[in-house]
Amino acid sequence: GQQLNQSPQSMFIQEGEDVSMNCTSSSIFNTWLWYKQDPGEGPVLLIALYKAGELTSNGRLTAQFGITRKDSFLNISASIPSDVGIYFCAGQPVQRAQKLVFGQGTRLTINP
Amino acid sequence: SAVISQKPSRDICQRGTSLTIQCQVDSQVTMMFWYRQQPGQSLTLIATANQGSEATYESGFVIDKFPISRPNLTFSTLTVSNMSPEDSSIYLCSVLLAGVGNEQFFGPGTRLTVL
Repeated sequence: GQQLNQSPQSMFIQEGEDVSMNCTSSSIFNTWLWYKQDPGEGPVLLIALYKAGELTSNGRLTAQFGITRKDSFLNISASIPSDVGIYFCAGQPVQRAQKLVFGQGTRLTINP
Repeated sequence: SAVISQKPSRDICQRGTSLTIQCQVDSQVTMMFWYRQQPGQSLTLIATANQGSEATYESGFVIDKFPISRPNLTFSTLTVSNMSPEDSSIYLCSVLLAGVGNEQFFGPGTRLTVL
């Protein structure tokens, strides 16, 4: 089945630094979604991408849908303490309408 | 978005017993899903909850172990049957809202510990 390879698995950065993470797959996806999960909470949707090449921003967050439709990245600029958490990419495969495949997650830790 | 609630928020259960988790949404929903998140892991889709008919299960998940009901558009239950310690996970429901494309919104999750 489809798999998403998300990297890095974890990041330890200083407050104010920029962050970049990405997901790749051998399969083509129709939709890419990025979520953030805080401890004890469900994932919260950050950004949704629907078209190859699409670049979308949400405040300090920017995400892109790769041209090949097999990858996506998420950037966070000027990190702040509340950015701490686990970030997941999720893709909707071409053959599996409405169903999502999730990456393994990137755990972000920020040193003040 | 929508307000999605799950009950219970957490529970500690004995092996061999069953637990039913409820998911309620306050908006018009087109699809509802149930996921499992094992400790320190990502999310895995268990099944799609279909209104008025049997749920559609993903590979590796079966109805006898995870019976699902969806009696109406905005409510669903997932039962974890004959539990073992390996079932200790967070169980999450998610929804697709009417008119909001492929964006799935998640409930807060139910943290289950099986002793």
